[in-house]
Amino acid sequence: QKEVEQNSGPLSVPEGAIASLNCTYSDRVSQSFFWYRQYSGKSPELIMSIYSNGDKEDGRFTAQLNKASQYVSLLIRDSQPSDSATYLCAGAEGAAGNKLTFGGGTRVLVKP
Amino acid sequence: GAGVSQTPSNKVTEKGKYVELRCDPISGHTALYWYRQSLGQGPEFLIYFQGTGAADDSGLPNDRFFAVRPEGSVSTLKIQRTERGDSAVYLCASSPGPSPYEQYFGPGTRLTVT
Repeated sequence: QKEVEQNSGPLSVPEGAIASLNCTYSDRVSQSFFWYRQYSGKSPELIMSIYSNGDKEDGRFTAQLNKASQYVSLLIRDSQPSDSATYLCAGAEGAAGNKLTFGGGTRVLVKP
Repeated sequence: GAGVSQTPSNKVTEKGKYVELRCDPISGHTALYWYRQSLGQGPEFLIYFQGTGAADDSGLPNDRFFAVRPEGSVSTLKIQRTERGDSAVYLCASSPGPSPYEQYFGPGTRLTVT
């Protein structure tokens, strides 16, 4: 089992709809999680971090962490064509939680 | 302010050659990370510096890979006797301190070994 797993997609959503992305993780990954957005040919851009159980909202983005079930999710409300990208889930690993372990990413396509 | 910068943006080298990739972190960030990303995959951790010292180099694939950060700012990733399998995008990230601070990535260096 991989440390962090994501559905590769593509996840196709109509413009204005909610995109829901999920990520599961193993015991080796600590309780700090991050969502990055990566456009084709570009480097990952941090969009959300979440450290404790529950929801965290930032603009159109909401991250949810459920430690008991070992999953973290990202909701994108009012999806726009500019949200079309690959979304990477990462969990902190290591004795000090200093290194990130990434999932393979979920490709999101927002159709006008 | 300025983000993480990496040079060169692209590097093409022949199998067996030596290459150096440079990373300049965000000013004031004490933690620096190197990752490698192959096509269609998420970034893979290589090494982490806190200050001048390599605090975790568990991700370096073999002894052909080495990284330094002599003054606690700029870092150089060095690859000896390059192989075609080393072709990837090498990403550098920095954070204000060690975990759990968020990591911010540079634009990456695309390495192609022919």
